Amino acid sequence: NAGVTQTPKFRVLKTGQSMTLLCAQDMNHEYMYWYRQDPGMGLRLIHYSVGEGTTAKGEVPDGYNVSRLKKQNFLLGLESAAPSQTSVYFCAGGRTGPVTGELFFGEGSRLTVL
Amino acid sequence: AQKITQTQPGMFVQEKEAVTLDCTYDTSDPSYGLFWYKQPSSGEMIFLIYQGSYDQQNATEGRYSLNFQKARKSANLVISASQLGDSAMYFCAMRVLNTGNQFYFGTGTSLTVIP
Repeated sequence: NAGVTQTPKFRVLKTGQSMTLLCAQDMNHEYMYWYRQDPGMGLRLIHYSVGEGTTAKGEVPDGYNVSRLKKQNFLLGLESAAPSQTSVYFCAGGRTGPVTGELFFGEGSRLTVL
Repeated sequence: AQKITQTQPGMFVQEKEAVTLDCTYDTSDPSYGLFWYKQPSSGEMIFLIYQGSYDQQNATEGRYSLNFQKARKSANLVISASQLGDSAMYFCAMRVLNTGNQFYFGTGTSLTVIP
């Protein structure tokens, strides 16, 4: 039972390059989230999904796209990377229902855009 | 608008002493949950404790307790008998039912335990 797994763990990109971060979960979570963490700013929600085939924008969605074609996978794409997207990215999964139920996080992916 | 505020960027505590990390929240939704996470220097996010908006009693989990004051909209984390391993970033978070179950995070408090 791996929980929530993110790949890759580290990546260096040049400005303008594209990449995809993969989040895979084996916990049968309906809800999945992508956050970015920057010093002094906490975790900010990029996009999230409340089920297979659905996605929604969070607080900072610009420059990112997501897809949830399968329940267990949530992909975060950067079409044209910018230095401002240098950050640590966290994927998380959560249960449906009321507001009980914590988020389960992946280990994070550190992205550097030069 | 939903918001979590943590006003203490950094805190120090002597080993074996208790420490309180502050968290205030803002939501007009009556159904919400409050969470605390720990992030050690290794980077992973570790769930510590949960409090529901309708819970009458304060949550406790081992050395962690959540001081929930609904009228003041505060959800402070109390760590008793601090240990060196408690040195980490601590994040307060809120899950709100009527915003699609989005989770909102504060900016975090860095706790350092002094031997």
